[in-house]
Amino acid sequence: GESVGLHLPTLSVQEGDNSIINCAYSNSASDYFIWYKQESGKGPQFIIDIRSNMDKRQGQRVTVLLNKTVKHLSLQIAATQPGDSAVYFCAVGANNLFFGTGTRLTVIP
Amino acid sequence: DGGITQSPKYLFRKEGQNVTLSCEQNLNHDAMYWYRQDPGQGLRLIYYSQIVNDFQKGDIAEGYSVSREKKESFPLTVTSAQKNPTAFYLCASRTDRARGTQYFGPGTRLTVL
Repeated sequence: GESVGLHLPTLSVQEGDNSIINCAYSNSASDYFIWYKQESGKGPQFIIDIRSNMDKRQGQRVTVLLNKTVKHLSLQIAATQPGDSAVYFCAVGANNLFFGTGTRLTVIP
Repeated sequence: DGGITQSPKYLFRKEGQNVTLSCEQNLNHDAMYWYRQDPGQGLRLIYYSQIVNDFQKGDIAEGYSVSREKKESFPLTVTSAQKNPTAFYLCASRTDRARGTQYFGPGTRLTVL
């Protein structure tokens, strides 16, 4: 199986600063890593994913870093905006996915 | 307008009643999934289906049932055997049967009165 943990349940950042959200996983056979954003009362929204054959992938204002040696995944959000306030969680797996409990990001104007 | 739809958004059930949650997708995805979300916990897999007329139990299938008669549709029935059904239910789908990113619907909040 797989267990997925997030390092901080909450994170507060000033608007305009960069945010870093972390995730740890246990199964070295996992080869898909996904970050989701979930606003209150809504379904999770896909942000970015990365395969195990990569260690970095960039999107618009977001970067995912994968360190397979220590089984660690992070999401970096550049120039954090109030609209980024939400719960962020990672999903890890191969066939089926296993989900972390989430970090609640609060952006302070 | 492509995507995954779930209905209803809110559902109230009396104890002892069965209820069915709808999930429809027009993305032509092969695989579909049902998850349950409770406060402070990660998503937990109830059932999944990788192909029409076939489905498998997830980690918490007891008290739930599904069907997959059409590629587009994967309804979930919460039966009276489910002891603690109040939760937020999420449906997801993905293109590849075997692996990859899953995309979620907007969810159904079920409350047992």
